[in-house]
Amino acid sequence: DTGVSQDPRHKITKRGQNVTFRCDPISEHNRLYWYRQTLGQGPEFLTYFQNEAQLEKSRLLSDRFSAERPKGSFSTLEIQRTEQGDSAMYLCASSLELGADTQYFGPGTRLTVL
Amino acid sequence: AQSVAQPEDQVNVAEGNPLTVKCTYSVSGNPYLFWYVQYPNRGLQFLLKYITGDNLVKGSYGFEAEFNKSQTSFHLKKPSALVSDSALYFCAVRDTNAGKSTFGDGTTLTVKP
Repeated sequence: DTGVSQDPRHKITKRGQNVTFRCDPISEHNRLYWYRQTLGQGPEFLTYFQNEAQLEKSRLLSDRFSAERPKGSFSTLEIQRTEQGDSAMYLCASSLELGADTQYFGPGTRLTVL
Repeated sequence: AQSVAQPEDQVNVAEGNPLTVKCTYSVSGNPYLFWYVQYPNRGLQFLLKYITGDNLVKGSYGFEAEFNKSQTSFHLKKPSALVSDSALYFCAVRDTNAGKSTFGDGTTLTVKP
């Protein structure tokens, strides 16, 4: 296994611009999760997929945020009209199945909104 | 609803001494409990988890954790700390019927030589 990968690792953008992040999970994992982490806090759940179906979305995920996993493999997280408050580390994780299975995390994408 | 509390922002220990990083949780059903470690500019790395059964769980790098249902705690322990254990540690809980995990705010462990 090559692990969970995320691209880009860093993104600097101006307020009001749109950004898109990509996550490639561990190949046989059918669940994929997005979290957001700000300085001094633990990861906060945003959304998760089982295969291509988006099963749960946090109230943190405003209508400016959209996530997709069109073929049940990689996923994208798009933020439209970025705000300075969106600056954070965006983490992706994958797991094999629901329940006690461990979520394995990627290195994250650090977003800075100027 | 599920929540996690890590009451200590920072824990300092001397190398070779035992360490404990505290975690308490709240779930409506039965919990799955996890510990992760995060090094600077790195993603979260899985250390260990409790599912069911033996209350003492052993994990990577000599770490272990004790599940205490009556105290709703899942403290991380290591008998002899190493300087290389210095990092940020996160406890997480997941209700057995939930998909998402809820994380604590982390505890910075510093092991001094």
